Amino acid sequence: QKEVEQDPGPLSVPEGAIVSLNCTYSNSAFQYFMWYRQYSRKGPELLMYTYSSGNKEDGRFTAQVDKSSKYISLFIRDSQPSDSATYLCASTSYNTDKLIFGTGTRLQVFP
Amino acid sequence: EADIYQTPRYLVIGTGKKITLECSQTMGHDKMYWYQQDPGMELHLIHYSYGVNSTEKGDLSSESTVSRIRTEHFPLTLESARPSHTSQYLCASSDEGWNTEAFFGQGTRLTVV
Repeated sequence: QKEVEQDPGPLSVPEGAIVSLNCTYSNSAFQYFMWYRQYSRKGPELLMYTYSSGNKEDGRFTAQVDKSSKYISLFIRDSQPSDSATYLCASTSYNTDKLIFGTGTRLQVFP
Repeated sequence: EADIYQTPRYLVIGTGKKITLECSQTMGHDKMYWYQQDPGMELHLIHYSYGVNSTEKGDLSSESTVSRIRTEHFPLTLESARPSHTSQYLCASSDEGWNTEAFFGQGTRLTVV
């Protein structure tokens, strides 16, 4: 079983839609959860991170972690064509010391 | 923008050739990583380093080798390229600690024909 599972998509939504991207993880020791965004032909860049359970909001983006169900979510409000990219979730813990990535979900926002 | 650079960006090379993918960072980070990424697949860690003269194999078996003679430089070498090595290779670095941000280079897209 992969430690971090993510639906690869692709996900295609109209501009202005609310997007929900999701991951599940299997390692109970994971404490630090990240979302990276990767544009075509670029390296991933950190979008948001959360520590343990809870929500974190940054502009149009909200990251949510539910440790009881081992579920990670990223919500994008008022999605824009510029949000079109691949979104990768990643997790780590103090005793893992390595980032474990999901497959990434390809998102396409059309005008 | 992250100060981590990979060269070349694209490389097409014949089977059996020796190649070195370059990665340099100017942030003074001790930790550096090499990931392999195929379309629709997750990033696989193939090598990492905690500092100068430290190199470790990652979770995905790879025929490549790495060296870390200087903090800022973490090259990856394939002694004899094969078509199965065709992939995107991403270099990253991070500061000390287990929960610090990893900064990625733009990647090298390698095609072995």
